[in-house]
Amino acid sequence: GAGVSQSPSNKVTEKGKDVELRCDPISGHTALYWYRQSLGQGLEFLIYFQGNSAPDKSGLPSDRFSAERTGGSVSTLTIQRTQQEDSAVYLCASSLNFPGSLNGDTQYFGPGTRLTVL
Amino acid sequence: AQKVTQAQTEISVVEKEDVTLDCVYETRDTTYYLFWYKQPPSGELVFLIRRNSFDEQNEISGRYSWNFQKSTSSFNFTITASQVVDSAVYFCALTRGQGGKLIFGQGTELSVKP
Repeated sequence: GAGVSQSPSNKVTEKGKDVELRCDPISGHTALYWYRQSLGQGLEFLIYFQGNSAPDKSGLPSDRFSAERTGGSVSTLTIQRTQQEDSAVYLCASSLNFPGSLNGDTQYFGPGTRLTVL
Repeated sequence: AQKVTQAQTEISVVEKEDVTLDCVYETRDTTYYLFWYKQPPSGELVFLIRRNSFDEQNEISGRYSWNFQKSTSSFNFTITASQVVDSAVYFCALTRGQGGKLIFGQGTELSVKP
């Protein structure tokens, strides 16, 4: 079946502009995660959605970052007033997270969105 | 706090050599899960293996094998008879389980030369 998809694959923006990154999880996966990969910081967790529960936002680096997940499926990560340090690859992952499922916690990743802030 | 350490930043081998990628983890949880992911030059993280803390059996999948030892908090990954296509960055990761965020190591960049 289809894997996790993300769009756009590349985004170049000017400092101070807002950007939206989109993630389509694997169909049927109830959990969705956002991570950021940068040279200096490696792979960092940003936010986690599980069903209708309140999201775990503990990894968001500042209040300029926000995310939502509509209808329990597609998610959008929004970065307001972008800064040069926001330049990174933003990765989305999803997992089944069905109680009792074997390997339900395995996270499958999308191809990422490379964000460049000039 | 949870932490994953991959001490080898870069490894370079010649094709057909065996290579072991080290992973050491720290956690206070009694239940946890360990993963290895491969990130080829294309950039997408590819899932390789998952191990839970109660299962210390080693696993082999083709040329890949994994050695999980709770006594040393290690989850090492060996590639036998390496091939050029194995060239990638490999990440070891740890999570508490369903719904848990992945804590990644810094990654080991493996270069396999022909």
